Amino acid sequence: IVLTQSPATLSLSPGERATLSCRASQSVSNFLAWYQQKPGQAPRLLIYDTSNRATGIPARFSGSGSGTDFTLTISNLEPEDVAVYYCQQRYNWPPRVTFGQGTRLVIK
Amino acid sequence: QVQLQESGPGLVKPSQTLSLTCIVSGVSVSSGSHYWNWIRQPAGKGLEWIGRIYTTGSTNYNPSLKSRVTIFLDRSKNQISLKVNSVTAADTALYFCARDLESAAGAFDYWGQGTQVTVS
Repeated sequence: IVLTQSPATLSLSPGERATLSCRASQSVSNFLAWYQQKPGQAPRLLIYDTSNRATGIPARFSGSGSGTDFTLTISNLEPEDVAVYYCQQRYNWPPRVTFGQGTRLVIK
Repeated sequence: QVQLQESGPGLVKPSQTLSLTCIVSGVSVSSGSHYWNWIRQPAGKGLEWIGRIYTTGSTNYNPSLKSRVTIFLDRSKNQISLKVNSVTAADTALYFCARDLESAAGAFDYWGQGTQVTVS
């Protein structure tokens, strides 16, 4: 299953809302996760199974979608949100997991 | 608190075998209902899942790497290990170990900081 993320880069100002998209080449049901990766760090799980926030993730981060089209929304952007965001499916598990190519979020 | 710490040789020659370890603290790799995974990331690129091992020792691998990869548990040292045979420059990457959620296998909630491997 191929995951295609858009846009490749998103440039917004503090306080704005970011909408990141992830499209799957075939249905992944609701088995879609989102990760945030800051420079020099490991990815951090934000959302799993489309809309469940991981432990300690603020409510500014929310996920939605089903089947092949998914969205990560980040409200009230903060400078610390600068990162690359990856979607990831676990539907055809086993035998494999796949990630999208990432969306880079830039805060103006 | 669960912590994962990868380590490895840093530099490996082409055609040789890459060996990495991930020391786990705060939880036993032999208990619970978690899978322990290896994931890699070439510089400036995206993430690629390599494979996983369950607490029982059963494994699953990415089909694109399956013929060259082995993951195993060392219960006495509470660590997981990765071996990649016949490496090439394409295996140069930052290698992470990660644990998945008990309630959502395949979603990774704990990660190590990664260990860089260069094949040259």
